[in-house]
Parts: sequence; structure tokens; C-alpha cells
Amino acid sequence: EPEVTQTPSHQVTQMGQEVILRCVPISNHLYFYWYRQILGQKVEFLVSFYNNEISEKSEIFDDQFSVERPDGSNFTLKIRSTKLEDSAMYFCASSERGRGQNTQYFGPGTRLTVL
Amino acid sequence: GNSVTQMEGPVTLSEEAFLTINCTYTATGYPSLFWYVQYPGEGLQLLLKATKADDKGSNKGFEATYRKETTSFHLEKGSVQVSDSAVYFCALRNGGQNFVFGPGTRLSVLP
Repeated sequence: EPEVTQTPSHQVTQMGQEVILRCVPISNHLYFYWYRQILGQKVEFLVSFYNNEISEKSEIFDDQFSVERPDGSNFTLKIRSTKLEDSAMYFCASSERGRGQNTQYFGPGTRLTVL
Repeated sequence: GNSVTQMEGPVTLSEEAFLTINCTYTATGYPSLFWYVQYPGEGLQLLLKATKADDKGSNKGFEATYRKETTSFHLEKGSVQVSDSAVYFCALRNGGQNFVFGPGTRLSVLP
């Protein structure tokens, strides 16, 4: 069964540094998402992306964050200047279609630790 | 706005016990409802879903029925196993693309 993959599985960085989290969505999917989960807390939506544009974003997704589909397979989340509170598990997801009942498939996550 | 509330954990049960994890939601219109499971060290996996009132989602012995009158989607399993130990997330999607997740309920099943 096709899967969403994410790299790296764990990223450690210093406060103020830029990080790029990478995701490879399922190949025939057109809609892409990032979520985060701060340790012990609930999963929070960050952003959705379709047709090379952000289609929806939450208030968490401020100017420090950006997303990109640099080629036909990768989907990246960049944090420009990391803060301690960015430490979390970041999940990528993809779906074949957008609105309605379409299932989002989640990757295994990247654990980001900001020191 | 949309929100999901789940019973607080952790829930600790003995193997073969009956499981209920309560979930209620607030939403306008007719959301689709989901249960996701997160096993230790892994990502989120879809467990089951229901897309309209009175639908029952089921998978791996787990069941949940979409109850519009009580805005609930409680997860049940008749006989839990040690391998069911995980965090369970109730979620909704309401016409948009993204999910709204509940806080998660940690289940520990003891042998």
C-alpha cells in the first residue's frame, strides 16, 4: 500500500536556525497538509496546499513558516528561525482530493527538537 | 467553530476488557467523523470513519456510531488486547480540507 514518507525522523537544531522538513506524499495525491503535535498535546492543523498554492492555513502558520513543492515528489515545510516552542512532532499528510469525504493519509512524522 | 472533545486519559484496562472512549463534537452542518490511532513511536493511522448520521464505522474490532442527536462518536471495542495500547484521536472534517482533532486519549492494556 502506498505511504507518505517523511525525513528526517528526528531533527535537532539550535534556536534561530532554519530547518526544512521533507515529505514525499502518495504519488497520485494532489492535496498536501502539515500538522504538528507538541509533546503530550493534541494534533494541530498548520497548512494545506494545492496546485502550488496555500489553500488554507491556521493562525499558527505565521511568517516564520513556508511550504513548497520544489519538484514533482517532495513537499517541504520550512521554519525560518526556529524558536523553542517550535519543538514538536510534525506530520505531513496527503489526499487524492480536497473537500468532502476524502481520507488524508499521514506520514510517520518528524520530531523537531529546538535547543 | 468546530471542536472535538474526548474523555481524559489515561485509560488503563486489563486484556479482554470492554473499551469505550467518549468523543463529542461541535460543528455546523454535517461533518465527517474519524478515529485515528497513534501507536508508540509511529504516526497517525486512520482507524475508522463515518460520513453521515447513524453510520457505523468499524475496523479491527473497533466500532463507532455517528450520533447526530447527541453529537457523539464514541469508540468501542468488546475485548481489548495488549497490542491496542496507543493514543486514540477523535477528529472531524467539516466541508474543508483539514481535520480538527481532539486532544487524544492514551489507552494502556495490561496483560
